[in-house]
Amino acid sequence: NAGVMQNPRHLVRRRGQEARLRCSPMKGHSHVYWYRQLPEEGLKFMVYLQKENIIDESGMPKERFSAEFPKEGPSILRIQQVVRGDSAAYFCASSPTGVGAINEQFFGPGTRLTVL
Amino acid sequence: QQQVKQSPQSLIVQKGGIPIINCAYENTAFDYFPWYQQFPGKGPALLIAIRPDVSEKKEGRFTISFNKSAKQFSLHIMDSQPGDSATYFCARNSGNTPLVFGKGTRLSVIA
Repeated sequence: NAGVMQNPRHLVRRRGQEARLRCSPMKGHSHVYWYRQLPEEGLKFMVYLQKENIIDESGMPKERFSAEFPKEGPSILRIQQVVRGDSAAYFCASSPTGVGAINEQFFGPGTRLTVL
Repeated sequence: QQQVKQSPQSLIVQKGGIPIINCAYENTAFDYFPWYQQFPGKGPALLIAIRPDVSEKKEGRFTISFNKSAKQFSLHIMDSQPGDSATYFCARNSGNTPLVFGKGTRLSVIA
């Protein structure tokens, strides 16, 4: 059973370009979360999605950032017109469907974005 | 967002020692308190988790202690090894809501 997959693992962009980060959740998981981690800092929540729906985007910057989780295919975090401050590690996590109080999230290996 | 305050920021222990990492939260409306372990260049990995209806949970050398009245929970690592050197994050959440993480504790276990 493959874990959460993210690609690319490393991404270099010049200022003003677009960055697309992909996340395939674990099999059977329909909840996806994106987090950003700056060097020497903790993980900051960005957005929570279920298939075809954005549930909570309270941590997402209002401009240049968008996320989707289509019916088919991976979840995509898109950063338009990147700036140096976007350089960070971006992690995706997934959790299984179903109700209940336990939200066990499993993380992918991350995408390390460097903006030149 | 409700915060989770984690301490210390960094910790150095001798091999065999028992590092203790503490976290405090702001209210009791949460159902799940996980700890994650992260090695450099890797994603966080779920280590152990506790619900507030129990006061302690052990998995191997890792123990979580939960003090509901003090709104605190802590991670103890028994017989620590150099391979335990990593950054540890506590978190809290309720249901299918986003995890809120502490800022992390960088642990170094020296031989």
